[in-house]
Amino acid sequence: GDSVTQMEGPVTLSEEACLTINCTYTATGYPSLFWYVQYPGEGLQLLLKATKADDKGSNKGFEATYRKETTSFHLEKGSVQVSDSAVYFCALKWRDDKIIFGKGTRLHILP
Amino acid sequence: DGGITQSPKYLFRKEGQNVTLSCEQNLNHDAMYWYRQDPGQGLRLIYYSQIVNDFQKGDIAEGYSVSREKKESFPLTVTSAQKNPTAFYLCAIRDRGTDTQYFGPGTRLTVL
Repeated sequence: GDSVTQMEGPVTLSEEACLTINCTYTATGYPSLFWYVQYPGEGLQLLLKATKADDKGSNKGFEATYRKETTSFHLEKGSVQVSDSAVYFCALKWRDDKIIFGKGTRLHILP
Repeated sequence: DGGITQSPKYLFRKEGQNVTLSCEQNLNHDAMYWYRQDPGQGLRLIYYSQIVNDFQKGDIAEGYSVSREKKESFPLTVTSAQKNPTAFYLCAIRDRGTDTQYFGPGTRLTVL
């Protein structure tokens, strides 16, 4: 069945470091792909999305490119800030109306 | 999303009691969802509704019930049959125009 696998955390970086959070998916077809972010005690917020191969989603300095050949949607940011500390979820939507989420990656940014 | 409200933010109940979690939206969207979040497990779908007076079971519906009598409301009842109800519960809507789900702030339920 369809699934999403993302790197386990926690990931700890210093402020201004480069970030990559890996995400790969399994789906028979062409799903839409998402990254959501969750700050402590809050709901999920949509960070970015891509709906077809080679699309690049971007928001708040974060980027992710839909790579069909490697079935990946890695999240990247060139210079992280303390305020980026949160849990990041990769997700896909295909076929029916359901979204499949990865297990989340906790990110800690040290000042 | 500011148009989705969940109340209360924290809820405590004794074991064996039913409890109802509120989810309201003023965005006029048809589709609404309930998810459960446990530490390290991501989100799991409990129930969803694509239109008023209709709803479907998700992956972990046992021990839960819902109703959808109004477009703006999709309450979730956690029954005494749910074996491990302590969790963070998230409600979401789907924006048909962008085909994207947006989430409410969540309710943390603790069963003592």
